[in-house]
Amino acid sequence: DAGITQSPRYKITETGRQVTLMCHQTWSHSYMFWYRQDLGHGLRLIYYSAAADITDKGEVPDGYVVSRSKTENFPLTLESATRSQTSVYFCASRESYEQYFGPGTRLTVT
Amino acid sequence: AQTVTQSQPEMSVQEAETVTLSCTYDTSESDYYLFWYKQPPSRQMILVIRQEAYKQQNATENRFSVNFQKAAKSFSLKISDSQLGDAAMYFCAYRENKLVFGAGTILRVKS
Repeated sequence: DAGITQSPRYKITETGRQVTLMCHQTWSHSYMFWYRQDLGHGLRLIYYSAAADITDKGEVPDGYVVSRSKTENFPLTLESATRSQTSVYFCASRESYEQYFGPGTRLTVT
Repeated sequence: AQTVTQSQPEMSVQEAETVTLSCTYDTSESDYYLFWYKQPPSRQMILVIRQEAYKQQNATENRFSVNFQKAAKSFSLKISDSQLGDAAMYFCAYRENKLVFGAGTILRVKS
């Protein structure tokens, strides 16, 4: 199916564990993004990538790591999860003016 | 850094009536895009309307229209003939090279 997918859709993990959220897009868009959504903050940019092997920090990058070895994939890793990283995470891709969002991953850190 | 402010955490409208959601932004740039996104309970982010800053004409998409005041850095969304399906969280967003979102406005539609 064409589009942008995220996995898993729901994840519960413990404090201190490493977690990787996956994002895959089928359009070969150059730009990809990771956001987190928290009540009262809207969506805040964590990291973004302009092309394969090019990544840059967004507004709230601390505690997160990204990589982009292939254009279509943009995984987000929480190296040592903390309760403050409990959130809904959205991946997005963009080629021109419109940005397309994945369905989101709800992550709970206990 | 660019900021986007939505001053109305929550709004209500009667079905078939008109409602306006407010948004202001701060930037020193002259060339940028503005967007309104809708997020229903499914969490899916849906693009409602976009406006290019260089265009003076306000964008319109069916029942949705914007009032873009570039000098005032204001970008409000008007929803006409409100429907129950319009109930959602609405986000205003600014983009120069990256999207920056406001905190959102919850819109409730009363039947």
